[in-house]
Amino acid sequence: AQTVTQSQPEMSVQEAETVTLSCTYDTSESDYYLFWYKQPPSRQMILVIRQEAYKQQNATENRFSVNFQKAAKSFSLKISDSQLGDAAMYFCAYRSGYGGSQGNLIFGKGTKLSVKP
Amino acid sequence: EPEVTQTPSHQVTQMGQEVILRCVPISNHLYFYWYRQILGQKVEFLVSFYNNEISEKSEIFDDQFSVERPDGSNFTLKIRSTKLEDSAMYFCASRWGRTSGGPDTQYFGPGTRLTVL
Repeated sequence: AQTVTQSQPEMSVQEAETVTLSCTYDTSESDYYLFWYKQPPSRQMILVIRQEAYKQQNATENRFSVNFQKAAKSFSLKISDSQLGDAAMYFCAYRSGYGGSQGNLIFGKGTKLSVKP
Repeated sequence: EPEVTQTPSHQVTQMGQEVILRCVPISNHLYFYWYRQILGQKVEFLVSFYNNEISEKSEIFDDQFSVERPDGSNFTLKIRSTKLEDSAMYFCASRWGRTSGGPDTQYFGPGTRLTVL
């Protein structure tokens, strides 16, 4: 079974600085997708960024980028120019790309990010 | 932009009572999901639904739970006899289900906070 591990329960960053959140996963599959979701205090789950395992190029969405290391099964999220609104819980998630999969997500335990003004 | 909606936002019930949580997925999506998040813990998959039937369920989804898509737009989660440990945030999600053009993403609703007294 696949597992997702986020080893940093809490992180803190100064406004305008850069922070990296770690995520590792375990799978025997070669085709899969990885996601970072943000959960602010409202508790809504908001997609931040996604990565297809077959793509070597790291995904980027404005200030958010990932460092995807397939061999190491690592998928870290880098937030540049951190803003107060980035403060939230961040969840890393895995989804099988296997054709018979129904696409449910497997989540890590999350990292709580605080942004200091 | 289309979004997943959920009602109610907060439901309080007595132990042993039945509750129905409602979701309206994005209209052209084909896959529907329920997830649960107990306060302070990670998001856990409950069930996926496709083509008017359950396609996958977790061990959490026991006989007390059922899902239904009664009218082609709503997607409901019923808990027959609630227990204290059912208190959690319940998220509905939907996914288009086509793979052309990239990894189709699950979009989450805002959640229903269920409190069982």
